[in-house]
Amino acid sequence: AQKITQTQPGMFVQEKEAVTLDCTYDTSDPSYGLFWYKQPSSGEMIFLIYQGSYDQQNATEGRYSLNFQKARKSANLVISASQLGDSAMYFCAMREGHSGGTSYGKLTFGQGTILTVHP
Amino acid sequence: DADVTQTPRNRITKTGKRIMLECSQTKGHDRMYWYRQDPGLGLRLIYYSFDVKDINKGEISDGYSVSRQAQAKFSLSLESAIPNQTALYFCATSDQSGTGVHNEQFFGPGTRLTVL
Repeated sequence: AQKITQTQPGMFVQEKEAVTLDCTYDTSDPSYGLFWYKQPSSGEMIFLIYQGSYDQQNATEGRYSLNFQKARKSANLVISASQLGDSAMYFCAMREGHSGGTSYGKLTFGQGTILTVHP
Repeated sequence: DADVTQTPRNRITKTGKRIMLECSQTKGHDRMYWYRQDPGLGLRLIYYSFDVKDINKGEISDGYSVSRQAQAKFSLSLESAIPNQTALYFCATSDQSGTGVHNEQFFGPGTRLTVL
């Protein structure tokens, strides 16, 4: 079974509007972390935001926020006030386990969502 | 200067050739990873190393080998390249010590490999 699922291959949004990119995950580990990365057309991977499984509040970083619904195992990325520079591929990823664990650190990625921002 | 560097950035080779992709980091991180990215599949883990003496297979290690020459260097080898190894390859690092905020992974710029 897929551990990380991004069901939207492509999304379109008008400049200055908000957009939500979906991510669902599957794990039986009570301790995990969820990450979002941005990959512009230049190819580099840029870390955007992190949500820990024990975090009580949804993570926010500037225009990025994470809508974390633990019971539904979803961690959707919300980008507010979209900008043309937000056009990119976006990846959701999960890290399982405690920091002292032997396999801690590995990331499992979703398939990605291509976001296009229209002027 | 970039904290995680990869060489070469682009490489075209022929089936059957041996190829080495190199990764160096100046972040002082103990953990290093190799991923490949294919369209529609996201990034998949090939190998990872939690310190110089610790090497582990990832999800898709067949056809690949690695060497952790030092804490700062982690190389990926394709012993006999085949066309379906054509992909974008990323090296990444993370910090186990807990000094990072989220221990997120930091990625190199990627190596685009084409096997003809």
